Amino acid sequence: AQSVTQLDSQVPVFEEAPVELRCNYSSSVSVYLFWYVQYPNQGLQLLLKYLSGSTLVESINGFEAEFNKSQTSFHLRKPSVHISDTAEYFCAVSENSGGFKTIFGAGTRLFVKA
Amino acid sequence: EAGVAQSPRYKIIEKRQSVAFWCNPISGHATLYWYQQILGQGPKLLIQFQNNGVVDDSQLPKDRFSAERLKGVDSTLKIQPAKLEDSAVYLCASSLMTGSTGELFFGEGSRLTVL
Repeated sequence: AQSVTQLDSQVPVFEEAPVELRCNYSSSVSVYLFWYVQYPNQGLQLLLKYLSGSTLVESINGFEAEFNKSQTSFHLRKPSVHISDTAEYFCAVSENSGGFKTIFGAGTRLFVKA
Repeated sequence: EAGVAQSPRYKIIEKRQSVAFWCNPISGHATLYWYQQILGQGPKLLIQFQNNGVVDDSQLPKDRFSAERLKGVDSTLKIQPAKLEDSAVYLCASSLMTGSTGELFFGEGSRLTVL
């Protein structure tokens, strides 16, 4: 059975500092990996995804994540955060088992301070 | 393209009452999901539909929760009777099936408070 572990429940960081949000997963089959973001009082929206090919994927707002198969990790990074990046970030794993079943981690609350 | 629509956005009920949530997925999306998101936790899958058939309902508390997706389009999630621990945001999501990459598109959610 697939599972997702987000190692940090909260990450406070100062504006313009780098950040890494950690995610580990387990699955017995090939998976797709996602990071979703949830801004206050909004629904979840896709930030970036790994399907195949290059193990480094990027979002339009400067986030990147690297798929590491040997460590079963998909950590999210940004070299310089902004106040507007304050949100909850969810790592998710999807495996194709008669229709994609997507499991989410518990989330990491990123709080960017001025 | 219209997104996933959910209603109501907010609902407050007393325990043992019933409540129903409605979801209309993105047009053409064959797969529909209901997730429960308790405050401070990640979304937990309750039920997954493929067209109008159930793919996975292993985590749906069937003694009190029910869901249907008649005609393979919109869906209703019902809770009867509600308990205090059902207080949560109920998220509906949809995705393509054929050629799908598993990406989910979420509605804004229905926030339930049980008093």
